[in-house]
Amino acid sequence: GAVVSQHPSRVICKSGTSVKIECRSLDFQATTMFWYRQFPKQSLMLMATSNEGSKATYEQGVEKDKFLINHASLTLSTLTVTSAHPEDSSFYICSAPGQGARGYTFGSGTRLTVV
Amino acid sequence: EDQVTQSPEALRLQEGESSSLNCSYTVSGLRGLFWYRQDPGKGPEFLFTLYSAGEEKEKERLKATLTKKESFLHITAPKPEDSATYLCAVQINQAGTALIFGKGTTLSVSS
Repeated sequence: GAVVSQHPSRVICKSGTSVKIECRSLDFQATTMFWYRQFPKQSLMLMATSNEGSKATYEQGVEKDKFLINHASLTLSTLTVTSAHPEDSSFYICSAPGQGARGYTFGSGTRLTVV
Repeated sequence: EDQVTQSPEALRLQEGESSSLNCSYTVSGLRGLFWYRQDPGKGPEFLFTLYSAGEEKEKERLKATLTKKESFLHITAPKPEDSATYLCAVQINQAGTALIFGKGTTLSVSS
Protein backbone atom coordinates (compact mmCIF):
# COMPACT_ATOMS: atom_id res chain seq x y z
CA GLY A 1 0.00 0.00 0.00
CA ALA A 2 0.91 3.67 -0.21
CA VAL A 3 3.46 4.74 2.37
CA VAL A 4 4.64 8.15 3.49
CA SER A 5 7.91 8.02 5.38
CA GLN A 6 8.39 10.90 7.82
CA HIS A 7 11.69 11.77 9.51
CA PRO A 8 12.82 12.40 12.10
CA SER A 9 10.33 10.85 14.50
CA ARG A 10 11.67 12.91 17.38
CA VAL A 11 13.88 15.96 17.53
CA ILE A 12 15.03 18.23 20.32
CA CYS A 13 16.54 21.54 19.35
CA LYS A 14 17.66 24.71 21.06
CA SER A 15 15.69 27.91 20.89
CA GLY A 16 16.63 29.97 17.86
CA THR A 17 17.78 27.08 15.70
CA SER A 18 16.04 25.60 12.66
CA VAL A 19 14.71 22.10 12.20
CA LYS A 20 13.79 20.31 8.99
CA ILE A 21 11.16 17.60 8.79
CA GLU A 22 10.97 15.39 5.69
CA CYS A 23 8.09 13.43 4.23
CA ARG A 24 8.76 11.04 1.38
CA SER A 25 6.19 9.12 -0.60
CA LEU A 26 7.80 5.72 -1.08
CA ASP A 27 5.70 4.00 -3.72
CA PHE A 28 3.62 6.73 -5.29
CA GLN A 29 3.93 10.29 -6.51
CA ALA A 30 2.53 12.90 -4.16
CA THR A 31 1.71 16.09 -6.01
CA THR A 32 0.13 17.48 -2.85
CA MET A 33 1.15 17.17 0.79
CA PHE A 34 -0.78 18.47 3.78
CA TRP A 35 1.09 19.52 6.91
CA TYR A 36 -0.70 19.33 10.24
CA ARG A 37 0.24 20.31 13.77
CA GLN A 38 -1.20 18.61 16.83
CA PHE A 39 -0.95 19.95 20.38
CA PRO A 40 -1.65 17.64 23.32
CA LYS A 41 -5.30 16.60 23.51
CA GLN A 42 -6.09 18.74 20.50
CA SER A 43 -7.11 17.88 16.97
CA LEU A 44 -4.85 17.87 13.97
CA MET A 45 -4.83 21.42 12.68
CA LEU A 46 -3.95 22.05 9.05
CA MET A 47 -0.97 24.38 8.76
CA ALA A 48 -0.32 24.42 5.05
CA THR A 49 -0.69 22.62 1.77
CA SER A 50 2.32 22.05 -0.44
CA ASN A 51 2.09 21.40 -4.14
CA GLU A 52 4.93 20.08 -6.23
CA GLY A 53 6.56 22.84 -8.22
CA SER A 54 4.57 25.73 -6.75
CA LYS A 55 4.36 27.81 -3.61
CA ALA A 56 2.69 26.37 -0.57
CA THR A 57 -0.60 27.76 0.67
CA TYR A 58 -0.78 28.54 4.37
CA GLU A 59 -3.76 28.53 6.67
CA GLN A 60 -4.76 31.72 8.41
CA GLY A 61 -2.52 32.49 11.36
CA VAL A 62 0.39 30.33 10.22
CA GLU A 63 3.56 32.32 9.62
CA LYS A 64 4.92 31.35 6.23
CA ASP A 65 8.33 32.85 6.99
CA LYS A 66 8.62 30.71 10.08
CA PHE A 67 7.32 27.46 8.65
CA LEU A 68 9.07 27.03 5.32
CA ILE A 69 7.62 24.37 3.08
CA ASN A 70 9.32 22.98 0.02
CA HIS A 71 7.90 20.45 -2.40
CA ALA A 72 10.64 20.20 -4.96
CA SER A 73 9.86 16.73 -6.26
CA LEU A 74 6.92 14.37 -6.56
CA THR A 75 8.24 12.25 -3.72
CA LEU A 76 9.58 14.74 -1.20
CA SER A 77 8.03 17.54 0.82
CA THR A 78 9.85 19.28 3.65
CA LEU A 79 8.81 21.53 6.51
CA THR A 80 11.49 23.71 8.10
CA VAL A 81 10.73 25.37 11.39
CA THR A 82 12.98 28.42 11.48
CA SER A 83 14.15 30.21 14.61
CA ALA A 84 12.27 27.71 16.72
CA HIS A 85 10.82 28.72 20.07
CA PRO A 86 9.41 26.60 22.88
CA GLU A 87 5.86 27.39 21.75
CA ASP A 88 6.65 25.61 18.47
CA SER A 89 6.99 22.36 20.39
CA SER A 90 4.33 20.10 18.97
CA PHE A 91 3.60 16.98 16.96
CA TYR A 92 3.86 17.57 13.21
CA ILE A 93 2.24 15.17 10.72
CA CYS A 94 2.21 15.11 6.95
CA SER A 95 -0.45 13.55 4.75
CA ALA A 96 -0.83 12.88 1.06
CA PRO A 97 -4.29 12.63 -0.50
CA GLY A 98 -5.82 10.30 -2.99
CA GLN A 99 -4.33 6.93 -2.20
CA GLY A 100 -6.96 4.32 -2.97
CA ALA A 101 -10.04 3.65 -0.88
CA ARG A 102 -8.35 4.99 2.22
CA GLY A 103 -8.24 8.42 0.69
CA TYR A 104 -5.22 9.72 2.55
CA THR A 105 -1.85 8.41 3.66
CA PHE A 106 -0.28 9.81 6.81
CA GLY A 107 3.29 9.99 7.95
CA SER A 108 4.18 8.67 11.38
CA GLY A 109 4.66 12.13 12.82
CA THR A 110 7.53 14.16 14.26
CA ARG A 111 7.66 15.17 17.91
CA LEU A 112 9.48 18.51 18.08
CA THR A 113 10.69 19.77 21.42
CA VAL A 114 12.33 23.19 21.58
CA VAL A 115 14.35 23.87 24.70
CA GLU B 1 -17.88 27.59 9.68
CA ASP B 2 -17.20 23.90 9.15
CA GLN B 3 -16.95 22.05 12.45
CA VAL B 4 -16.39 18.55 13.72
CA THR B 5 -17.18 17.76 17.35
CA GLN B 6 -16.39 14.50 19.07
CA SER B 7 -17.79 13.23 22.35
CA PRO B 8 -16.98 12.15 24.90
CA GLU B 9 -13.49 13.58 25.20
CA ALA B 10 -12.42 10.54 27.19
CA LEU B 11 -14.03 7.18 27.83
CA ARG B 12 -13.03 4.46 30.26
CA LEU B 13 -14.44 0.99 29.76
CA GLN B 14 -14.02 -2.39 31.30
CA GLU B 15 -12.99 -5.16 28.96
CA GLY B 16 -16.13 -6.47 27.27
CA GLU B 17 -18.18 -3.34 28.02
CA SER B 18 -19.58 -2.12 24.71
CA SER B 19 -20.07 1.59 23.98
CA SER B 20 -20.24 4.22 21.25
CA LEU B 21 -18.24 7.26 20.29
CA ASN B 22 -19.96 10.20 18.66
CA CYS B 23 -18.85 12.54 15.90
CA SER B 24 -21.20 15.36 14.98
CA TYR B 25 -20.46 17.63 12.07
CA THR B 26 -21.63 20.90 10.63
CA VAL B 27 -20.15 21.26 7.21
CA SER B 28 -21.05 22.38 3.75
CA GLY B 29 -20.87 19.71 1.10
CA LEU B 30 -19.78 16.60 2.97
CA ARG B 31 -17.89 14.35 0.63
CA GLY B 32 -16.70 11.73 3.10
CA LEU B 33 -16.32 11.05 6.80
CA PHE B 34 -13.23 9.24 8.05
CA TRP B 35 -12.45 7.42 11.27
CA TYR B 36 -8.87 6.95 12.42
CA ARG B 37 -7.15 5.36 15.36
CA GLN B 38 -4.13 7.18 16.79
CA ASP B 39 -1.72 5.69 19.28
CA PRO B 40 0.51 8.00 21.36
CA GLY B 41 3.35 9.47 19.31
CA LYS B 42 2.09 7.94 16.07
CA GLY B 43 0.31 9.13 12.97
CA PRO B 44 -3.37 8.32 12.39
CA GLU B 45 -4.21 4.77 11.30
CA PHE B 46 -7.12 4.45 8.87
CA LEU B 47 -10.23 2.65 10.03
CA PHE B 48 -13.23 3.58 7.86
CA THR B 49 -14.59 5.95 5.27
CA LEU B 50 -18.32 6.64 5.05
CA TYR B 51 -19.86 8.56 2.19
CA SER B 52 -23.64 8.66 2.55
CA ALA B 53 -26.27 8.64 5.27
CA GLY B 54 -27.29 5.14 6.23
CA GLU B 55 -23.95 3.64 5.34
CA GLU B 56 -22.35 1.24 7.81
CA LYS B 57 -18.94 -0.41 7.88
CA GLU B 58 -17.49 -3.01 10.20
CA LYS B 59 -14.05 -4.23 11.11
CA GLU B 60 -13.53 -6.70 13.92
CA ARG B 61 -15.01 -5.11 17.06
CA LEU B 62 -15.65 -1.75 15.42
CA LYS B 63 -18.67 -0.57 13.48
CA ALA B 64 -19.10 2.88 12.01
CA THR B 65 -22.42 4.43 11.02
CA LEU B 66 -23.36 7.71 9.38
CA THR B 67 -26.40 9.98 9.43
CA LYS B 68 -26.85 13.42 7.92
CA LYS B 69 -25.59 15.08 11.10
CA GLU B 70 -23.37 12.62 12.89
CA SER B 71 -21.42 9.42 12.88
CA PHE B 72 -21.02 6.78 15.54
CA LEU B 73 -18.19 4.40 16.15
CA HIS B 74 -19.55 1.42 18.03
CA ILE B 75 -17.10 -0.72 19.95
CA THR B 76 -18.37 -4.17 20.83
CA ALA B 77 -16.73 -6.12 23.66
CA PRO B 78 -13.57 -4.01 23.65
CA LYS B 79 -10.19 -5.35 24.67
CA PRO B 80 -7.28 -3.47 26.28
CA GLU B 81 -5.52 -3.30 22.92
CA ASP B 82 -8.38 -1.13 21.65
CA SER B 83 -7.13 1.63 23.94
CA ALA B 84 -6.21 4.61 21.75
CA THR B 85 -7.47 7.97 20.59
CA TYR B 86 -10.14 7.74 17.91
CA LEU B 87 -10.28 10.62 15.47
CA CYS B 88 -13.12 11.63 13.22
CA ALA B 89 -12.45 13.76 10.15
CA VAL B 90 -14.49 15.10 7.26
CA GLN B 91 -13.63 15.79 3.67
CA ILE B 92 -15.70 18.55 2.11
CA ASN B 93 -16.42 19.93 -1.31
CA GLN B 94 -14.03 17.96 -3.50
CA ALA B 95 -11.66 15.05 -3.51
CA GLY B 96 -8.09 15.74 -2.48
CA THR B 97 -8.84 18.58 -0.09
CA ALA B 98 -7.45 18.53 3.43
CA LEU B 99 -9.42 16.77 6.12
CA ILE B 100 -11.01 18.65 9.01
CA PHE B 101 -10.47 16.77 12.26
CA GLY B 102 -12.30 16.59 15.52
CA LYS B 103 -10.36 16.62 18.79
CA GLY B 104 -10.74 12.89 19.25
CA THR B 105 -12.00 10.55 21.94
CA THR B 106 -9.40 8.88 24.11
CA LEU B 107 -10.53 5.37 24.94
CA SER B 108 -9.06 3.39 27.82
CA VAL B 109 -10.05 -0.24 28.21
CA SER B 110 -9.04 -2.01 31.38
CA SER B 111 -8.94 -5.75 31.96
